[in-house]
Amino acid sequence: DAKTTQPNSMESNEEEPVHLPCNHSTISGTDYIHWYRQLPSQGPEYVIHGLTSNVNNRMASLAIAEDRKSSTLILHRATLRDAAVYYCILRDGAGGTSYGKLTFGQGTILTVHP
Amino acid sequence: DSGVTQTPKHLITATGQRVTLRCSPRSGDLSVYWYQQSLDQGLQFLIQYYNGEERAKGNILERFSAQQFPDLHSELNLSSLELGDSALYFCASSVYGANTGELFFGEGSRLTVL
Repeated sequence: DAKTTQPNSMESNEEEPVHLPCNHSTISGTDYIHWYRQLPSQGPEYVIHGLTSNVNNRMASLAIAEDRKSSTLILHRATLRDAAVYYCILRDGAGGTSYGKLTFGQGTILTVHP
Repeated sequence: DSGVTQTPKHLITATGQRVTLRCSPRSGDLSVYWYQQSLDQGLQFLIQYYNGEERAKGNILERFSAQQFPDLHSELNLSSLELGDSALYFCASSVYGANTGELFFGEGSRLTVL
């Protein structure tokens, strides 16, 4: 599995935007970029994913560099509930049903200050 | 609520014992994944089943085994338990092997081995 590199931790203030970076210089053409987050004492939760183009959903935006070697998860207005560990994961989109697993790294611990 | 149900939520047992963790996937999801999360190892992929068949194997010990039943629920069996097996065990499900779609995680089963 191609690896990702994320900062260990980041801090933000409530109601401010947060940009969480991820480097994935060895990404292959069939790798999708997925973001999950894990709130304290809960299972991981899907946030967003993309392949080449920027993506938006109700939770966040995903900005993907033109060369796809990096991406940024954008939380437009952080809330206290967004304090979590954020994982950037590459997932092979090629092949059949045997490639659905996610390989988690250490992630970025996001602290949100009131 | 992700729709994935895991039981038991908490389990305390002794070294050398055997336990079974159960996972009911979201309705209609054919693929089940098991993950182990310990403080020093992070989220580790153990094994994946798709419609009753094993599809991918990760860092699963030989003392551990899993299966997916015809009704699609899955069980993770942990035997000859050691102190180091104490961890959170998460189950996740997805529609297919879902190379691009999201995984839905349960709230986990916390295993404590004394």
